[in-house]
Amino acid sequence: GAGVSQSPSNKVTEKGKDVELRCDPISGHTALYWYRQSLGQGLEFLIYFQGNSAPDKSGLPSDRFSAERTGGSVSTLTIQRTQQEDSAVYLCASSLGRHDWGYTFGSGTRLTVV
Amino acid sequence: SQKIEQNSEALNIQEGKTATLTCNYTNYSPAYLQWYRQDPGRGPVFLLLIRENEKEKRKERLKVTFDTTLKQSLFHITASQPADSATYLCASPRRDAGNMLTFGGGTRLMVKP
Repeated sequence: GAGVSQSPSNKVTEKGKDVELRCDPISGHTALYWYRQSLGQGLEFLIYFQGNSAPDKSGLPSDRFSAERTGGSVSTLTIQRTQQEDSAVYLCASSLGRHDWGYTFGSGTRLTVV
Repeated sequence: SQKIEQNSEALNIQEGKTATLTCNYTNYSPAYLQWYRQDPGRGPVFLLLIRENEKEKRKERLKVTFDTTLKQSLFHITASQPADSATYLCASPRRDAGNMLTFGGGTRLMVKP
């Protein structure tokens, strides 16, 4: 597609439920990134996929968070047993993977845990 | 640990003036810096990249400088317009992983007509 697509755009879930967030990157972009942004805060890195390499999971805040990228394209971020502190906007970005290339971000998924 | 910081206070300026936003980094020397614009409810949009061996980069009304001595980048918008109102983020590559970016907290710019 023309841009990075994320779904759903908004998600309200009850504490303790699992959620899945989807990211469809730009075709041909080998690198895919997940960040989250809490209200009024900067972007917090979560996980990074580059081609067929093992993902860099160093930013995942707990083992309740996991992500996969199937076929080098679509990625899913899963949060198990959601907590209120998980409420944030989850942003996905993709890039060509060159070390100095800008990212293209999606519009994000706003997650609210009640 | 490496840090990248922006002034968290909003910058209010009058239309037509030049807006100048600051990005400071500590404890490392990034090979490049990037600047993004973020509007409410949207993801950041890439604007400019400047490399460590470049003093200045321009794009239309935008100008970015990179001072490796001061460990600082300045982002200028000349002849500012109300439509320039947004949050501006600077970002630098992580020292341990060149493709991944660390973002500053952003500075909100408000241009008044």
